[in-house]
Amino acid sequence: GENVEQHPSTLSVQEGDSAVIKCTYSDSASNYFPWYKQELGKGPQLIIDIRSNVGEKKDQRIAVTLNKTAKHFSLHITETQPEDSAVYFCAANSWGKLQFGAGTQVVVTP
Amino acid sequence: NAGVTQTPKFQVLKTGQSMTLQCAQDMNHEYMSWYRQDPGMGLRLIHYSVGAGITDQGEVPNGYNVSRSTTEDFPLRLLSAAPSQTSVYFCASSYSGGDSYNEQFFGPGTRLTVL
Repeated sequence: GENVEQHPSTLSVQEGDSAVIKCTYSDSASNYFPWYKQELGKGPQLIIDIRSNVGEKKDQRIAVTLNKTAKHFSLHITETQPEDSAVYFCAANSWGKLQFGAGTQVVVTP
Repeated sequence: NAGVTQTPKFQVLKTGQSMTLQCAQDMNHEYMSWYRQDPGMGLRLIHYSVGAGITDQGEVPNGYNVSRSTTEDFPLRLLSAAPSQTSVYFCASSYSGGDSYNEQFFGPGTRLTVL
């Protein structure tokens, strides 16, 4: 089955700096790669996703890149703000199911 | 729309007790799923359903049962609770799954402790 690895597990950044989270996957048939943000005490919420026919996608301060050959994808957050502090999960679909990474705790310090 | 709702928010059980975690959605989504979240392990799929009357196992199905009699509801049953089932449980729904994945909407979660 699919195996999704996510790094780093924790990330501390200064407000205004950029944050990058990286994920690798194992199933070459995976074609959908979402990113979820989970705030304390809440369920995860989709922030951006990318499909395998696209190499990069942007939405304001958030961007995701996908390298299908290397089987890795990354989340980039620019100009970080305190409200970006949360746990972020990457995921990849495989055999009709989503496999999630272990999560990255992002802390943005003023 | 209420989205995905889960009850209860918190529950404490004794080893061997049974209970049902409720999940409902009002978005007419065909695909529903249950995950458990444990520290350092992300979200692991327990069971999922692609439509009323159809369920299948995920990555960690042992000790859990599900049924899907209606499009709206997808309850998760713990047959005989064990301390290893202490976790936070999330229900999610999406318009479709499989090869035509859409955004999954998550409920607020149920925090379960088994003593």
